[in-house]
Amino acid sequence: KAGVTQTPRYLIKTRGQQVTLSCSPISGHRSVSWYQQTPGQGLQFLFEYFSETQRNKGNFPGRFSGRQFSNSRSEMNVSTLELGDSALYLCASSLIPGLAGSLSSYNEQFFGPGTRLTVL
Amino acid sequence: KNEVEQSPQNLTAQEGEFITINCSYSVGISALHWLQQHPGGGIVSLFMLSSGKKKHGRLIATINIQEKHSSLHITASHPRDSAVYICAVNERRNNDMRFGAGTRLTVKP
Repeated sequence: KAGVTQTPRYLIKTRGQQVTLSCSPISGHRSVSWYQQTPGQGLQFLFEYFSETQRNKGNFPGRFSGRQFSNSRSEMNVSTLELGDSALYLCASSLIPGLAGSLSSYNEQFFGPGTRLTVL
Repeated sequence: KNEVEQSPQNLTAQEGEFITINCSYSVGISALHWLQQHPGGGIVSLFMLSSGKKKHGRLIATINIQEKHSSLHITASHPRDSAVYICAVNERRNNDMRFGAGTRLTVKP
């Protein structure tokens, strides 16, 4: 079974531009989560999607948005890029999202290789 | 203060040594994860646990819910174990994932 794939793997943009990143989950997985990793802040949760609906959102400005399609593939978009948006963006998929207070093996997340975004 | 604290930040070991990485957290959790990240960025989930102990090959993860503490042990370490090990928790109230800063492990031959 193929793993989680992310495209593109590397991206260079300039300040003020916008960017769209794509994530294809493992076949059969319906939950997709996005994370940002920077040297200063480490890994931080961006948002989680399930059945084309955003279930959770981390503490990021509205410039960061996402969506999920009926085939469970997900995209995230960052508008008006800032230098501080340079980061590794990771997505992870699981069969189903976890319920607050209860997790099972169905909620185990599998990570993609990430998209390294550089903003100049 | 970060909800998830790891120690040490950096660890260098000789091949064959027994390694322990510690993780303490301050929030109520549904589960705790140990992740491995190799240079280049890819993350692999090593363990997801909510109680007791789990073992995969040379890796052992333990968690003490009362003390809000987990440890990752690597027995008979090998240079290919060199990576960043990240502790993460799912907050019980909303399932959000919170991450530790990671422990950079270097195993020398």
